Amino acid sequence: KQEVTQIPAALSVPEGENLVLNCSFTDSAIYNLQWFRQDPGKGLTSLLLIQSSQREQTSGRLNASLDKSSGRSTLYIAASQPGDSATYLCAVSNQAGTALIFGKGTTLSVSS
Amino acid sequence: DAGVIQSPRHEVTEMGQEVTLRCKPISGHDYLFWYRQTMMRGLELLIYFNNNVPIDDSGMPEDRFSAKMPNASFSTLKIQPSEPRDSAVYFCASRRGRDTGELFFGEGSRLTVL
Repeated sequence: KQEVTQIPAALSVPEGENLVLNCSFTDSAIYNLQWFRQDPGKGLTSLLLIQSSQREQTSGRLNASLDKSSGRSTLYIAASQPGDSATYLCAVSNQAGTALIFGKGTTLSVSS
Repeated sequence: DAGVIQSPRHEVTEMGQEVTLRCKPISGHDYLFWYRQTMMRGLELLIYFNNNVPIDDSGMPEDRFSAKMPNASFSTLKIQPSEPRDSAVYFCASRRGRDTGELFFGEGSRLTVL
C-alpha cells in the first residue's frame, strides 16, 4: 500500500530564505506526483505536476524535483515571502485514472 | 468556470442525524473525488467516480456512508446516522481525463457532529 510522508511537519523561516520541503513515498512505481498548497480554511490548489518520466517542473519561484528510484520529491521555494505561508501537500498516483494519495503536509510560516 | 462548488460550507448536527453533503464539479470534468481531512489522519480518499460510475469506494469507512452521482454535474455524500468521529472537513475534487492529472478542489464542507 502506497504511503506518502512529509518531513518536517512544520517549518518557520525568515523572509527571503530559500527552503526545501521533502516528500517520500514507499512504492516507487508512481504515475505522477503533485504538489498542492492549502491556505487555512480553504481547499487545495495545485502548484506543480510531475509525470513519472520527468525529473523536475518549475513555476516561478517554485521548483519540484522527482527521484522515482529513491522514492523522493522535493519542493524548492526561492526567496520566500510571507505570502508563501501555508500548508504544502505532496500527493502521488499509482496509475493513470486513479486517485491521489496524500501526505499530511508541511506547514510553512514565513516571517517578515 | 466557477470551480468546484460544495455545500454546505459548515454543518453542525447532533449524533444520529442524517447529513448530506453536495458537490458540483467543474463542467466537462469526468472524474469526481470525495476526500475527508482530519488533523490526525490527513486527507483520506473516500470514493471516486468516473463518468458518474463509482470506481473505488474502498475508503468509505462503513455502511453509514454512501455516495451517489446521478448526473455529471452533481454528487452527494450522505452519512446516516452521523457520529462524533465523523467530524472532519469533507472535500470534493474534480479532474478532466485520466492522464492530465491536475485536480481541482472545492472549499470543503466542515462537519461537526455533537
